[in-house]
Amino acid sequence: DAGVIQSPRHEVTEMGQEVTLRCKPISGHDYLFWYRQTMMRGLELLIYFNNNVPIDDSGMPEDRFSAKMPNASFSTLKIQPSEPRDSAVYFCASRRGTGGNYEQYFGPGTRLTVT
Amino acid sequence: RKEVEQDPGPFNVPEGATVAFNCTYSNSASQSFFWYRQDCRKEPKLLMSVYSSGNEDGRFTAQLNRASQYISLLIRDSKLSDSATYLCVGMTGNQFYFGTGTSLTVIP
Repeated sequence: DAGVIQSPRHEVTEMGQEVTLRCKPISGHDYLFWYRQTMMRGLELLIYFNNNVPIDDSGMPEDRFSAKMPNASFSTLKIQPSEPRDSAVYFCASRRGTGGNYEQYFGPGTRLTVT
Repeated sequence: RKEVEQDPGPFNVPEGATVAFNCTYSNSASQSFFWYRQDCRKEPKLLMSVYSSGNEDGRFTAQLNRASQYISLLIRDSKLSDSATYLCVGMTGNQFYFGTGTSLTVIP
C-alpha cells in the first residue's frame, strides 16, 4: 500500500511568490491533516478535512494560507504571498474515519525555504 | 499551557540500557494517546498507540495513568537504531496535540 504522498519534497522560493504544496492521502482514509513543523514551535496543526470538507482551520496562520480538498485523493495547501517566516517543513497526514483506529500516517513532508 | 508536555532531553544512554520518557497532558477529555518516532529530517512514524491503560510491543512499553494525566514510554535493551526524537501525542476530539519531543541518543 502506498503511503501518504507529498510533492514537492523541497521548495525554494523568493518572498512574495505563490507556493502550492500537494498531498495524496492513503486510499480509504477519510481524514486529512496539514501540519507545519519548525524548531521553535514544533508540530502545529494548520487545518484538517473530513470527507473532503474543511472542519477546523483555526491553526491557519493568516489569510495568506489556504487549503482545498477537491476530492478524496488530493489536497493542496497554498501560501500567497510567501514570506521568510513561512520557512518550515509542511507535513500532510491521513487516517481512517471509522473502526476506532485513530492513528495518523504522515507523508514525507515538503521542506519550504522562502528567501 | 501546552496540551502535551515532554522533557526535551537530550537523553544519552549506553547501548543495552533501559530508558523511560514521561509525558503529561492537561486536557482530561483526551481519550487516546500515541508515541511517534521522528528521525532527523524525516516524517513522524507511529511507534505505539495507547487506547486503554497501556501497550507493549517487543522492547517498547507504553503506560497511561489517567488519574495523574501522564503517559510513559519505556525502551528496554536500547539499540543504536533507537536514536531518534520521540513525540508524545494526545488526541482530543479529532485533533492530535503533539509534545515538543524527547531526543534520545544511544551510545555504543
